[in-house]
Amino acid sequence: SQQGEEDPQALSIQEGENATMNCSYKTSINNLQWYRQNSGRGLVHLILIRSNEREKHSGRLRVTLDTSKKSSSLLITASRAADTASYFCATAPEDSSYKLIFGSGTRLLVRP
Amino acid sequence: NAGVTQTPKFQVLKTGQSMTLQCAQDMNHEYMSWYRQDPGMGLRLIHYSVGAGITDQGEVPNGYNVSRSTTEDFPLRLLSAAPSQTSVYFCASREQGSRGAEAFFGQGTRLTVV
Repeated sequence: SQQGEEDPQALSIQEGENATMNCSYKTSINNLQWYRQNSGRGLVHLILIRSNEREKHSGRLRVTLDTSKKSSSLLITASRAADTASYFCATAPEDSSYKLIFGSGTRLLVRP
Repeated sequence: NAGVTQTPKFQVLKTGQSMTLQCAQDMNHEYMSWYRQDPGMGLRLIHYSVGAGITDQGEVPNGYNVSRSTTEDFPLRLLSAAPSQTSVYFCASREQGSRGAEAFFGQGTRLTVV
């Protein structure tokens, strides 16, 4: 079964609002990553957070990690129509970090 | 840099046919993986490799074979295509590293089995 599960499955917001997506996972991890996928395209890496980190920022992205709850969140601030895409979390299990296990994704629609 | 290149982009197969999906990367990455993406299911790991000559099964390996004779190439073979294998297939590569590394993805192969 998949390691990560995202919540919500779909999110629709107005341009300028913040978007928050959550990811829960099942086993201990080495790191957790977030990816973006535009319709019909390959996935693009956004940000990586290691198991000993609690928060990380990259531009308008903020990622948090709570290993005690086995959960992570991705916050996109001041969203733009161009942020419309699917967002996936992926975990590298602690005992097999050469693998990346993906969640089912959140579809984000940013309305102009 | 080409990154990760997948061919073909689209393919239609008849049930029972076999074919090979090609994946090549030019970044000298040790790790390579194949995923399939179905609606509402996210990406599921089919097979992966941690280096030339070393492959292993992922979550959904049945019906697929892989080999890794070189660092650059990681082909995925469908032995006898079934309609359940209709999906979008993605190849990815990563650097080896204990502190983690991002994956680079190809643009995908959209496969339809009729």
